[in-house]
Amino acid sequence: QVQLVESGGGGVQPGRSLRLSCAASGFTFSTFGMHWVRQAPGKGLEWVAGIWHDEREEYYADFVKGRFIIFRDNSKSTLYLQMNSLRVEDAAVYYCTRDRWEGYEKFFDLWGRGTLVSVSS
Amino acid sequence: EVVLTQSPGTLSLSPGERATLSCRASQSVSSSYLAWYQQKPGQTPRLLIYGASRRATGIPDRFSGSGSGTDFTLTISRLEPEDFAVYYCYQHGGSTWTFGQGTKVEIK
Repeated sequence: QVQLVESGGGGVQPGRSLRLSCAASGFTFSTFGMHWVRQAPGKGLEWVAGIWHDEREEYYADFVKGRFIIFRDNSKSTLYLQMNSLRVEDAAVYYCTRDRWEGYEKFFDLWGRGTLVSVSS
Repeated sequence: EVVLTQSPGTLSLSPGERATLSCRASQSVSSSYLAWYQQKPGQTPRLLIYGASRRATGIPDRFSGSGSGTDFTLTISRLEPEDFAVYYCYQHGGSTWTFGQGTKVEIK
């Protein structure tokens, strides 16, 4: 079954760290770029970070640069997001999503159910 | 960074009516990297359209996408009860990926 399953969310205080995981199954994980997208309660979708299939390139939204690190372990078919110096405004559901090429087109085609991160004192 | 602005914020329509959703980019984007997603409460986003006009697998033909450059449109020809949801446009360019703020299609 082709799926992505996130874990690692929870409640933390501002300034603390949290590591999210996304376990992939049912497809060849090492051939796909992967991303994290978040959604604050009642708000829209917001891209957070992405990583190439072979880890050679990482990309970050400006609001997480220097605080979050995206990485992956292709041997374990798992994507990670290390979140440091968390802020109240980082509270959201974090989705793992797959980057897909179809001919010349590129889009996110597979999404996990998300993991909730709460940040408060 | 490309900013995507969707309009209207909310569209109030009745089942059977036509819905026209707009997505305007702050600079020209590649049609190949423009997509539309549907999200219902408590659910994950669902891919509807990619490459600006190509329907994803299993998407009914009442959904269509069009546009190029900075102006893109998602059209739902005849609204079904299950189409009332929030719709997001998305683009990828260079080292950034962005979503519009969403258009909510609600029952009038």
